[in-house]
Amino acid sequence: SQTIHQWPATLVQPVGSPLSLECTVEGTSNPNLYWYRQAAGRGLQLLFYSVGIGQISSEVPQNLSASRPQDRQFILSSKKLLLSDSGFYLCAWSGLAGDYEQFFGPGTRLTVL
Amino acid sequence: DAKTTQPPSMDCAEGRAANLPCNHSTISGNEYVYWYRQIHSQGPQYIIHGLKNNETNEMASLIITEDRKSSTLILPHATLRDTAVYYCIVRPDTGRRALTFGSGTRLQVQP
Repeated sequence: SQTIHQWPATLVQPVGSPLSLECTVEGTSNPNLYWYRQAAGRGLQLLFYSVGIGQISSEVPQNLSASRPQDRQFILSSKKLLLSDSGFYLCAWSGLAGDYEQFFGPGTRLTVL
Repeated sequence: DAKTTQPPSMDCAEGRAANLPCNHSTISGNEYVYWYRQIHSQGPQYIIHGLKNNETNEMASLIITEDRKSSTLILPHATLRDTAVYYCIVRPDTGRRALTFGSGTRLQVQP
């Protein structure tokens, strides 16, 4: 069966520090991968999605970036965090065309102080 | 993707049916209706989806009006564990695969 992992589960970082969040998927090949962010009390906002290794689409301008170095690995990064980067970061995967369901990871709660 | 409109909150008594409405008046012919829910501090969970026929699975039923401009998610016997934010999303079956989440409906199941 397929599983999706995210780490760390929680993170507290000072403003201006770098960020690296990792997401890995097991049990499937060639998944579509997504990064979402949820600010406190708000809905989910799509940040990035990827249909293959090295293929990243950005949905909103921001100081975050994403990379997909391996088929089942998706990384969210920042060189300098802002206070507004605080939130709940969720990674998700879906299958190829015709597979309708997205599966979400447990999330990382990031607090920038 | 078509925009959806949902009530911000609803209450339901435990054991009764919960009927969650969604308006999607600008939906186009190739767009599906999806429902996800998010329990506090967890990632969203897929519930059900449909195109134009009513659908039922072990979690819920989805009723889509004939003109497809609105739908209703039905939880037949709500339990306390169904307390969550429920998101109605429309998305085409091809092209961009990402989901666009709105504000959803916060369902509170009362004991």
